[in-house]
Amino acid sequence: SYELTQPPSVSVSPGQTARITCSGDALPKQYAYWYQQKPGQAPVLVIYKDSERPSGIPERFSGSSSGTTVTLTISGVQAEDEADYYCQSADSSGTVVFGGGTKLTVL
Amino acid sequence: QVQLVQSGAEVKKPGSSVKVSCKASGGTFSSYAISWVRQAPGQGLEWMGGIIPIFGTANYAQKFQGRVTITTDESTSTAYMELSSLRSEDTAVYFCSSGYSGYDDTYYYYMDVWGKGTTVTVSS
Repeated sequence: SYELTQPPSVSVSPGQTARITCSGDALPKQYAYWYQQKPGQAPVLVIYKDSERPSGIPERFSGSSSGTTVTLTISGVQAEDEADYYCQSADSSGTVVFGGGTKLTVL
Repeated sequence: QVQLVQSGAEVKKPGSSVKVSCKASGGTFSSYAISWVRQAPGQGLEWMGGIIPIFGTANYAQKFQGRVTITTDESTSTAYMELSSLRSEDTAVYFCSSGYSGYDDTYYYYMDVWGKGTTVTVSS
């Protein structure tokens, strides 16, 4: 199996830009997805196929990919964006892997 | 859009089994990729396995092979996850999700709708 590595925490002031990275050797060949999870709630998909945004997700959420690293960018961070963020990928056998999660703190 | 309703909380003894259900409404159940993901207290998300009802064959994470069984009942649009030989480390919230799996230029598999989760507590 393979692994996805995320920083445990990221802190940013309101209105600033938050960047959360996810690294994995298989990412050049696989799509990445991002989920937001607030305490006591189920995860919510915020980015799919590296950079696509589901309907209803604010435009300030964007995703990008470069080599073995994918990045979730939140522009103009708001207090409501404080949450845990998880990256996810899957290989062609249908095996799914999640990153360890990043806690975003809005200062 | 599909909605997922999971069964209620369970308390189980070590060594026993638990079966959690996930009923879908509002979508084409048989064509979605159904996944089960668990989250131990204070920990991250952990994929256990998934199934596409129309194909019928489940795929399991290596960690849970031999201990988890994922099935579906298309007549009731319900998915099930059964975990056996429970131990205290299996205490967690168990989520079902529905999403998409397939190919464009690249294989894709992601989860766009989630149930609210089912708390399973394993304690003697």
